[in-house]
Amino acid sequence: AQSVTQLGSHVSVSEGALVLLRCNYSSSVPPYLFWYVQYPNQGLQLLLKYTSAATLVKGINGFEAEFKKSETSFHLTKPSAHMSDAAEYFCAVRNTGGFKTIFGAGTRLFVKA
Amino acid sequence: DAGVIQSPRHEVTEMGQEVTLRCKPISGHNSLFWYRQTMMRGLELLIYFNNNVPIDDSGMPEDRFSAKMPNASFSTLKIQPSEPRDSAVYFCASSLAETGELFFGEGSRLTVL
Repeated sequence: AQSVTQLGSHVSVSEGALVLLRCNYSSSVPPYLFWYVQYPNQGLQLLLKYTSAATLVKGINGFEAEFKKSETSFHLTKPSAHMSDAAEYFCAVRNTGGFKTIFGAGTRLFVKA
Repeated sequence: DAGVIQSPRHEVTEMGQEVTLRCKPISGHNSLFWYRQTMMRGLELLIYFNNNVPIDDSGMPEDRFSAKMPNASFSTLKIQPSEPRDSAVYFCASSLAETGELFFGEGSRLTVL
């Protein structure tokens, strides 16, 4: 069965610092992997997705993620945090050929001025 | 283009009452998902449909929950009778099954007293 583990329920960084949000997945077949962002009182929005093309995926708002099969990881990074990046971030997995998308528990990102 | 539309945005009801949540997916999308979000359990997949047919309802917590998709442009999630532990934000999301990325509505916040 597929699953997603996000390490760290809260991450705090200073404005301008590197953002690193960790995600590990478990899947019996090559997966699709996603990062979503949720701002307060809103639904989730897609940041980026991996679908077995390039292993380094670039998304919106300067975020990117690297698929590492050997580590079963799909960590999200951004070189320089902005105050507007403060939100909750969810990693998600879907098996190719399936419909079911499973989400991690989420990581809340705090950005300090 | 309109996104996924959910109604009501907020619902406060008393234990034992019937609750109906509504969702209009994005036109042309062929998959629809209902998720529940709580602080304790995160985002849980309740049920999903493909081409209006329920594919997997294993996430529906109890028989008190039911979901229908009578046509490609409308779905309902019903709770009868409602209980305080059903209090949560319920999200509807739609997608093209081929691409996998989910488009979320803004959610329906349910409070059962």
